[in-house]
Amino acid sequence: SQQGEEDPQALSIQEGENATMNCSYKTSINNLQWYRQNSGRGLVHLILIRSNEREKHSGRLRVTLDTSKKSSSLLITASRAADTASYFCATDVYNTDKLIFGTGTRLQVFP
Amino acid sequence: DSGVTQTPKHLITATGQRVTLRCSPRSGDLSVYWYQQSLDQGLQFLIQYYNGEERAKGNILERFSAQQFPDLHSELNLSSLELGDSALYFCASSVGTSGSLEQFFGPGTRLTVL
Repeated sequence: SQQGEEDPQALSIQEGENATMNCSYKTSINNLQWYRQNSGRGLVHLILIRSNEREKHSGRLRVTLDTSKKSSSLLITASRAADTASYFCATDVYNTDKLIFGTGTRLQVFP
Repeated sequence: DSGVTQTPKHLITATGQRVTLRCSPRSGDLSVYWYQQSLDQGLQFLIQYYNGEERAKGNILERFSAQQFPDLHSELNLSSLELGDSALYFCASSVGTSGSLEQFFGPGTRLTVL
């Protein structure tokens, strides 16, 4: 079964607005990663946050992690049409090498 | 371009057949991961190899097998194919074995079983 579940499943916004996606997971982790997938293509790594970090920034991306609630959020600020894609969180399973992906959020940004 | 190559891009075959998907990792990467992405199951981790050895196993069916060769390329073999095996199959690579490493994904192989 999936380790992570993302919410919402789909999100539609206008260019310039912010987009927030949430990820919940089930077991202890060392870190959490976010990936982006353009339709039918390979995933691209966006950002990694470690379990001892609470917030991390990369350009227009802001990621938070709350290990007590087993949840993370990805905020994309000032979104652009080119941000249209699916976004997945991925967690390493504690004491294994596995990376388990969530169900994904489909983001549509309208010009 | 991630540096990970996968062949073929598309594969159409019939139920009961066997196919082989091929992956070449980024130069210098020792780990190869295989994933299956379908509409109803999402992105499922299948198996990981590190420097020729199986390292981790996920939801891989017994009809599926994989291996990593001395030159580090990997093959995923799917046999006795069923309609439900139709999916996108991704290969990814990373430098090492830790789950804290970024994975680089190939463009995928789209398998259609008729």
